Amino acid sequence: GAVVSQHPSRVICKSGTSVKIECRSLDFQATTMFWYRQFPKQSLMLMATSNEGSKATYEQGVEKDKFLINHASLTLSTLTVTSAHPEDSSFYICSARDGAGGDYFYGYTFGSGTRLTVV
Amino acid sequence: QKEVEQNSGPLSVPEGAIASLNCTYSDRGSQSFFWYRQYSGKSPELIMFIYSNGDKEDGRFTAQLNKASQYVSLLIRDSQPSDSATYLCAVIFEGAQKLVFGQGTRLTINP
Repeated sequence: GAVVSQHPSRVICKSGTSVKIECRSLDFQATTMFWYRQFPKQSLMLMATSNEGSKATYEQGVEKDKFLINHASLTLSTLTVTSAHPEDSSFYICSARDGAGGDYFYGYTFGSGTRLTVV
Repeated sequence: QKEVEQNSGPLSVPEGAIASLNCTYSDRGSQSFFWYRQYSGKSPELIMFIYSNGDKEDGRFTAQLNKASQYVSLLIRDSQPSDSATYLCAVIFEGAQKLVFGQGTRLTINP
């Protein structure tokens, strides 16, 4: 089945620094990728949708200058948390949709997630 | 605001019994519905998807969809302790491509 690889799985960074999270589709071309954030005991909240070769679409309330998304190829999307602060500490998860298959009824494949802790 | 609603639980079910999880959604035009299971500290994994009214069975899992009433449910038969997790209902709203998640129901299966 479709596999999405997400790295790193855990990262601790100092307040004010930037962190980059990578999401790769290993055996399919992901024309669309989604980035979610999940706080403890809460559900997944969509942050943005990225389409290969175009600018990401951010959900209301998500700062696009703080959460930079790049989807430069059909297999790689990155999320960079710039000038991270403790309130950005969360579980970040990417999800990819298989563009070649095109049948969205089969759901979307999730990466394993990145636990970000800002100290 | 298009929404997906779930009872957050926790729902406690004895081992071997049937666990019933429910979800309602606000957009009548929605076409695709998913159930994901999420263990603590892990990312969600797809359990079932359904897009036609009625029941869909896969092993111990049955998804039920009623578009007229705008609800989708998940039944887990012969519940096992390993089924203890948070179950997330997700919907693709009409005209959209993104998954919108409910708040999740925490399920505990008691041995």
